Amino acid sequence: ILNVEQSPQSLHVQEGDSTNFTCSFPSSNFYALHWYRWETAKSPEALFVMTLNGDEKKKGRISATLNTKEGYSYLYIKGSQPEDSATYLCAFLGGGADGLTFGKGTHLIIQP
Amino acid sequence: SQTIHQWPATLVQPVGSPLSLECTVEGTSNPNLYWYRQAAGRGLQLLFYSVGIGQISSEVPQNLSASRPQDRQFILSSKKLLLSDSGFYLCAWSLLNEQFFGPGTRLTVL
Repeated sequence: ILNVEQSPQSLHVQEGDSTNFTCSFPSSNFYALHWYRWETAKSPEALFVMTLNGDEKKKGRISATLNTKEGYSYLYIKGSQPEDSATYLCAFLGGGADGLTFGKGTHLIIQP
Repeated sequence: SQTIHQWPATLVQPVGSPLSLECTVEGTSNPNLYWYRQAAGRGLQLLFYSVGIGQISSEVPQNLSASRPQDRQFILSSKKLLLSDSGFYLCAWSLLNEQFFGPGTRLTVL
């Protein structure tokens, strides 16, 4: 069973502050690491697919980094806004695997 | 463009009743298809995946089964639902490294 851990489990952040959270995954047999943004009663929205060690990706105020050697990825949100409130999921794809292994997510609440 | 449909959106079923959730994909051929579930307090768990018609792989032993009668149709079924089958069910298809999710079905078993 693959172990994909996300921390913290939940996070309250003041509007305008920046924040970050972590995804850890197996450092062996790595193929890709996915980040999703998931709002209640909606389908997860893909943010990033990261494949190379040292990758950094950015989408607006959200960015992510990847360290495949030590098995972690960080997601950063700069200048948090209320619409950033959601659950952020990371998912690990190993070589030869046919499906993603998800973490339990970080539930982010932005307080006005 | 590709779209993925799931129905129903919500479902309330008694324990012991059968289940059929349907997922269809448009705009692509021979997709890999997946069923995931999020149970209360848990993360998304892969239940089944399919790489082609009639080809189903199960990730965890459970009370559910899946079938793929057509290239772009994926069905999740149960003969007798358990309370523990309650959760949010997501169908997904994949292209290269990316997976795209359907809108989901909220199943409550009473």
